[in-house]
Amino acid sequence: QQPVQSPQAVILREGEDAVINCSSSKALYSVHWYRQKHGEAPVFLMILLKGGEQKGHDKISASFNEKKQQSSLYLTASQLSYSGTYFCGTEIPQAGTALIFGKGTTLSVSS
Amino acid sequence: EAQVTQNPRYLITVTGKKLTVTCSQNMNHEYMSWYRQDPGLGLRQIYYSMNVEVTDKGDVPEGYKVSRKEKRNFPLILESPSPNQTSLYFCASALFRGDQPQHFGDGTRLSIL
Repeated sequence: QQPVQSPQAVILREGEDAVINCSSSKALYSVHWYRQKHGEAPVFLMILLKGGEQKGHDKISASFNEKKQQSSLYLTASQLSYSGTYFCGTEIPQAGTALIFGKGTTLSVSS
Repeated sequence: EAQVTQNPRYLITVTGKKLTVTCSQNMNHEYMSWYRQDPGLGLRQIYYSMNVEVTDKGDVPEGYKVSRKEKRNFPLILESPSPNQTSLYFCASALFRGDQPQHFGDGTRLSIL
């Protein structure tokens, strides 16, 4: 049931772009994205609901394709502050309101 | 300041000695949840609670207990801790449901020897 994130790790220079993918084998209600910096708590970025919508948060945006049961997180013109581990969380109908997170994608941005 | 507070932040203890990790939120949130985080495994949900006196199992509930007697508090209880419960634990809360933004506490690092 755990969603699969890819890639596991990304190394970027400042200003480069990255895409992080999250896919599920089950039908999804919604997809959540969180970022966790080393030694800190995860911080909410955005939620995408059924309908294929795309949301944005500064230069970070995401899409949700419910037919393909996957979501992608787009980081544009990356900054040093983008470094951290990104988690997608999925809420699947059969699990009530439990949120199931992927294993995470570690993003390292250097100058 | 809106926050989720966990205590203790760090604990080293021995196998079999009962322990409780407290979690309290001041945002009047209905939904609360516990996760454990292990290297390479991400965040895994232990238990969650939709409301006072309503709790349900997450992905990895074995060896844990929770209670929700008041809206603001959601303690995690390890009746007989074992070394495989050594982990980083996070408490989180959301306004009504798990499909809303979750606010995480700062984490509790437990080491069971």
